[in-house]
Amino acid sequence: EPEVTQTPSHQVTQMGQEVILRCVPISNHLYFYWYRQILGQKVEFLVSFYNNEISEKSEIFDDQFSVERPDGSNFTLKIRSTKLEDSAMYFCASSEVVSPLHFGNGTRLTVT
Amino acid sequence: DQQVKQNSPSLSVQEGRISILNCDYTNSMFDYFLWYKKYPAEGPTFLISISSIKDKNEDGRFTVFLNKSAKHLSLHIVPSQPGDSAVYFCAARSNAGGTSYGKLTFGQGTILTVHP
Repeated sequence: EPEVTQTPSHQVTQMGQEVILRCVPISNHLYFYWYRQILGQKVEFLVSFYNNEISEKSEIFDDQFSVERPDGSNFTLKIRSTKLEDSAMYFCASSEVVSPLHFGNGTRLTVT
Repeated sequence: DQQVKQNSPSLSVQEGRISILNCDYTNSMFDYFLWYKKYPAEGPTFLISISSIKDKNEDGRFTVFLNKSAKHLSLHIVPSQPGDSAVYFCAARSNAGGTSYGKLTFGQGTILTVHP
């Protein structure tokens, strides 16, 4: 069964550094998403992306965050200047037009 | 954000018995509900969903019930198996204008343990 793949599985970075989290969505999916889960908290929506533009973003998704689909397969989340509170599991997801979201296994981001 | 609540942090069930996981919501604009299962070190995996125009949806051992008047849904697993042991998340989608299709609001999850 096709799956969403995310790399790396674990990223450690220093506060203030830029990080890029990578995702390869399922190939025939058109909608892409990033969610995150801070340890002990709920899974939270960050952003949705369709037709090469952001369709919706949460209040968490401030100017420090950006998303990009640099080629036909990858979907990336960039955090420009990481903060301690950005430490979380980041999940990429994709979907067809009317279908449930399929999630990747996540990237654990640790900001020190 | 308490729009979707799973009040039971954990549930322990004997193999072969029924597992009932509960979820409450407050937002009357939610029109589509999903259950996801999550194993450690993996992402959430879709289990079953239900539209607000229905009150029941069944898929094999999994049945989701929706009570709109009570703003409550439940997931029934019958019979429960040890491999069902995981964290179960309830999620909901709003039909409010401009809301992205894939913007889901999650509950905090219930840890299900099925004992052999």
